[in-house]
Amino acid sequence: QKEVEQDPGPLSVPEGAIVSLNCTYSNSAFQYFMWYRQYSRKGPELLMYTYSSGNKEDGRFTAQVDKSSKYISLFIRDSQPSDSATYLCAMSESRRALTFGSGTRLQVQP
Amino acid sequence: DVKVTQSSRYLVKRTGEKVFLECVQDMDHENMFWYRQDPGLGLRLIYFSYDVKMKEKGDIPEGYSVSREKKERFSLILESASTNQTSMYLCASSFRGRGEETQYFGPGTRLLVL
Repeated sequence: QKEVEQDPGPLSVPEGAIVSLNCTYSNSAFQYFMWYRQYSRKGPELLMYTYSSGNKEDGRFTAQVDKSSKYISLFIRDSQPSDSATYLCAMSESRRALTFGSGTRLQVQP
Repeated sequence: DVKVTQSSRYLVKRTGEKVFLECVQDMDHENMFWYRQDPGLGLRLIYFSYDVKMKEKGDIPEGYSVSREKKERFSLILESASTNQTSMYLCASSFRGRGEETQYFGPGTRLLVL
């Protein structure tokens, strides 16, 4: 079993929809949680970062961490075609070594 | 602006060749990382370095080595390339200390080994 599980998609939604992306994990020692966005033929870029449990909002993006369920989510409100990308969750025990999910491909249809 | 550059975007090599992948960052970051990214497997850590001339194995170091002679440069070496090393290679860097978990990635090198 992988340490971090993420549905690969593709997830296809109409423009303006609310998108929910999720990861589950097995290592209860993870305490730093991140979401990266990766456009085609580019490197990942950091989108959201949260420490421990709780919610964090940044514009149209909300990251949610539920450590008791070992479950993290990224919500995208009012999705745009420019949000079409692969979204990778990442997490770590310490600050250095990240463990990534395999990524979910999102397509927002205009 | 944060910048991590990789020497090549696309590379085609033959089995048995020695391959060098170069990564340079201009942010004065202490930490540097090499990952490979394969469909369905996500990013897997090959090697990382916390300082000049320092290196540590990641999850999949077999068949790879690294070199960090200068703070801004981290090289990944495939001593004898094999077809199962065909992949997307991503370099990343981060500060040491607060914000260390925030890694900045380069654009990646797509390597094809024939």
